[in-house]
Amino acid sequence: QKEVEQDPGPLSVPEGAIVSLNCTYSNSAFQYFMWYRQYSRKGPELLMYTYSSGNKEDGRFTAQVDKSSKYISLFIRDSQPSDSATYLCAMRRDNFNKFYFGSGTKLNVKP
Amino acid sequence: KAGVTQTPRYLIKTRGQQVTLSCSPISGHRSVSWYQQTPGQGLQFLFEYFSETQRNKGNFPGRFSGRQFSNSRSEMNVSTLELGDSALYLCASSLAAVGETQYFGPGTRLLVL
Repeated sequence: QKEVEQDPGPLSVPEGAIVSLNCTYSNSAFQYFMWYRQYSRKGPELLMYTYSSGNKEDGRFTAQVDKSSKYISLFIRDSQPSDSATYLCAMRRDNFNKFYFGSGTKLNVKP
Repeated sequence: KAGVTQTPRYLIKTRGQQVTLSCSPISGHRSVSWYQQTPGQGLQFLFEYFSETQRNKGNFPGRFSGRQFSNSRSEMNVSTLELGDSALYLCASSLAAVGETQYFGPGTRLLVL
């Protein structure tokens, strides 16, 4: 079993929709949670970074962490065609600089 | 502040050859991690270097090696290339302090023929 599981998609939505992207994990020691966005043929770009449980909002993006369920989510409001990319979740333990990645969810926002 | 840079951006090699990829981290970052990304396997961790020492290692054969220099720049070497080594190789740097995240470079796309 992989430490981080993520549905690969693809997920296709119309412009303006609310998008929900999710990851589950098995290691309860993970404390830091990240979402990266990766456009085709580019390196991943950090979108959101949260510590422990709770919500964090940045513009149209909201990251949510539920440690009791070992489940993290990224919500995108008012999705735009420019949001079309692969979204990777990542996490790490405290005091251990190794990052564990999901396989990525490919999102397509149709105009 | 300049981001993570990787050179070269594209490489074409043939089976059996070796290749060296270079990564310059964000200024002040002392940790450099390398990843291999393929459509089938996703992002796979190769190794992490901190202060010129390999701290963490993924599950790759010994043909994959790396090093880090005193200025934190890092190189990755793959010897005896195989077709399956065709991938996007990503470098990421971080401060490696508690709670810090990592930032990726644009990657080197390697094609092995």
